[in-house]
Amino acid sequence: AQKITQTQPGMFVQEKEAVTLDCTYDTSDPSYGLFWYKQPSSGEMIFLIYQGSYDQQNATEGRYSLNFQKARKSANLVISASQLGDSAMYFCALDSWGKLQFGAGTQVVVTP
Amino acid sequence: KAGVTQTPRYLIKTRGQQVTLSCSPISGHRSVSWYQQTPGQGLQFLFEYFSETQRNKGNFPGRFSGRQFSNSRSEMNVSTLELGDSALYLCASSPETLYNEQFFGPGTRLTVL
Repeated sequence: AQKITQTQPGMFVQEKEAVTLDCTYDTSDPSYGLFWYKQPSSGEMIFLIYQGSYDQQNATEGRYSLNFQKARKSANLVISASQLGDSAMYFCALDSWGKLQFGAGTQVVVTP
Repeated sequence: KAGVTQTPRYLIKTRGQQVTLSCSPISGHRSVSWYQQTPGQGLQFLFEYFSETQRNKGNFPGRFSGRQFSNSRSEMNVSTLELGDSALYLCASSPETLYNEQFFGPGTRLTVL
């Protein structure tokens, strides 16, 4: 059975600082993908970054980077230079055969 | 390109009624997935349709059903509504590229009274 775990229910971070959101997963599939999504209070899920299980390098997208440690089955999201608009719920998701399984999410609040 | 659209955005129903939610994917996307989001259970996968066929199914009772039309638009139906069906229902479409990124719509917030 697949499982995805986000152990941080909530975090406060000061504007302009970096923050790391933890995500661990468990799957027996040899090929899988890991996604991070952001969900503001409006409800829409916004795609941030993707890491494939066979990708050799850690994914980066602007201020977002993914610290992928395959042997440890972790895929932590790093947001650099936090902005007030980064305040939202962040979800890690495991994709296997087209089905996304989400973690419980981490609520991030960016303070001035 | 227009994003994923969902209608209606908000819905209030009473127990025992049925409801139909609609999702229009991004043009060219043939895969549509549905998710239920509740405070207690989080985000859960309902089902996925591809080229009018259900390709994947989550662990939901038969009261939850869906279909997809030839233009890739999808509908989700919930019959005999229960209070626990109150949730945000999210639809996502995928371009079926290498990594199957899913693009989400704004969701339909269903309240069952």
